Formats: sequence, structure tokens, C-alpha cells
Amino acid sequence: QVQLVESGGGVVQPGRSLRLSCAASGFTFSNYAMHWVRQAPGKGLEWLAVVWFDGSYQYYEDSVQGRFTISKDISNNTLSLQMDSLRVEDTAIYYCARQGGGAFFDFWGKGALVTVSS
Amino acid sequence: EIVLTQSPATLSLSPGERATLSCRASQSISSYLAWYQQKPGQAPRLLIYDASNRATGIPARFSGSGSETDFTLTISSLEPEDFAVYYCQQRSNWPPYTFGQGTKLEIK
Repeated sequence: QVQLVESGGGVVQPGRSLRLSCAASGFTFSNYAMHWVRQAPGKGLEWLAVVWFDGSYQYYEDSVQGRFTISKDISNNTLSLQMDSLRVEDTAIYYCARQGGGAFFDFWGKGALVTVSS
Repeated sequence: EIVLTQSPATLSLSPGERATLSCRASQSISSYLAWYQQKPGQAPRLLIYDASNRATGIPARFSGSGSETDFTLTISSLEPEDFAVYYCQQRSNWPPYTFGQGTKLEIK
């Protein structure tokens, strides 16, 4: 069965960096585009970034463009999100999600909590 | 950027009743709209994609309709497990893939 498991969350000071990972299993990772979506405490969902099925293209939401980098390690079935210059407003649960056949997000991980605080 | 506006913000109904949730897009998105359900402490779950197609394993009481700018998620007869927050999302004009702000469906 499809599984997505995020790791790497934690508490970090403003201005510092953090790297999230998402371990994928149960499907052919190289065939699917993958996304990161976040949810601030008590708030709605915010799409952040997508990486193409083969890792060739990446697109970002404006507020993280230039600070966050999404990447895909097909050999290890792992999706990553490198987050630099973190801000207090980046505090959220970060979900990885698979882009399914309908081009929407058909499987999600359980999420990783990132807290940016001094 | 396409803005999705969901209404109402909160919907209070009883089990067995019919729920109708609305999502309006700031410009035409054809049928490129999905609905997700999120329960407390859980990740979102895809319910409906391309406006009216149920995702795998989704019960028939969930249905979606609409096109262009106006969309509806209908739950024909509410079960206790249906009380949750529902989000719509568009993929017509990306990036970004925008979400609505959510509708909380609560027990009356």
C-alpha cells in the first residue's frame, strides 16, 4: 500500500535552516510528481512546492520561492524540502503528498511539525 | 492567482441530514477542482477530483458538481464520521495550487 512518512521536523530559531524528508513506498516513486503542503496551527492548507515525476522541474509558492528547495531522490524513494532563512510564520505542520492520476493529491503523509521560535 | 471562497464557514447539521458545501473560484477553472476532508489530527483525504469524480474508496453519499466558477460538495445523508473540515482546491492555473479556506461541518 502507498505510504508517505515525513521526518526531520522540530524546533528551530528564526533565520536557521531545516531539512524535511518524506520516505515513499508502495508505488513507483519515479512515476509521480510530488508536493509539499503546510498547515499553520488552526489554519487552512497552503500549497508550497511541486517537483516533477523525474525531478526535472520544480515550482514554488511565492512566499517560499528562493528560501525553500524541493527535490526528489529517485534512487532512495525520498522527497526532500530544504528550508532556509526560516521565519516565525513558517511554523506549521508540513505534509508531503503524491500527485495522483487526476492530478490532485491522492495520498498524504501524516505530517511533520516545524516550529520556528527564538 | 485564483482565489477559492468556501461557504459557509461553519455548517451545523444532524446525522442523517443532507449537507451542501459551496466553493466559488475568482475566475473560471473549468472542472479542475477537488474536495478534501480533514479530521482533527489527521492529514487531508481526497474525496472528489475534477469536480465530480469520487476518489477510490469514497462512499457514494459524497458527490460533487459544478464547473467554471461555482462548485458544490453534497453529502446526501450525514454519518457521524463525516463531521470534519472540508477544503476545495484548484489545479487549473498553477502555480500556485490554491485551496479554499475550509468549511467546518459540525454536529448540531
